[in-house]
Amino acid sequence: GDSVTQMEGPVTLSEEAFLTINCTYTATGYPSLFWYVQYPGEGLQLLLKATKADDKGSNKGFEATYRKETTSFHLEKGSVQVSDSAVYFCALSVDNNNDMRFGAGTRLTVKP
Amino acid sequence: EAQVTQNPRYLITVTGKKLTVTCSQNMNHEYMSWYRQDPGLGLRQIYYSMNVEVTDKGDVPEGYKVSRKEKRNFPLILESPSPNQTSLYFCASNPAGSASYGYTFGSGTRLTVV
Repeated sequence: GDSVTQMEGPVTLSEEAFLTINCTYTATGYPSLFWYVQYPGEGLQLLLKATKADDKGSNKGFEATYRKETTSFHLEKGSVQVSDSAVYFCALSVDNNNDMRFGAGTRLTVKP
Repeated sequence: EAQVTQNPRYLITVTGKKLTVTCSQNMNHEYMSWYRQDPGLGLRQIYYSMNVEVTDKGDVPEGYKVSRKEKRNFPLILESPSPNQTSLYFCASNPAGSASYGYTFGSGTRLTVV
């Protein structure tokens, strides 16, 4: 079936460190890929997305590139801030239907 | 403001006492869905609805009911809650056939069943 696997957390970094959260996917059709962020006490918010191979999604300094050859969509940020502390979810939707599959989430803590 | 509104935010109840968690969206979205979030398991879909009077089971529907009598509302009903339904619940919505836009989520309902 369609699924995503993301690196387990928690991840703890110092401010201004480089962030990578790995995400790989399995899809029976043609997927769109997403990263969502969940700040403490809030719902999930769409962070970025990519709808076709080699697309790069970006937002708030975060980036992820849709790599069909490696079935990956890793999230990166060059310099994290304390305010980036949150849980990050990788997700996919196949063939533009409404079914969204989420990974288990990765908790990021950024220390001053 | 475009949003999905869930109520209540927090709920503590006893085993077997029927409860309803409400969800309402103001974006005229056709598609609505309920998820539960548990540590280490991510989000798992409970039920979804493609439009008014059209609902279907997700991955973990046991012990839950839903209804979709109006486009904007999609309540989640627990007829006889049990402790294993203690979880964080999210409602989400999306224009039909437009998953590439991503979902809009509510703020969540933390349910504790004792």
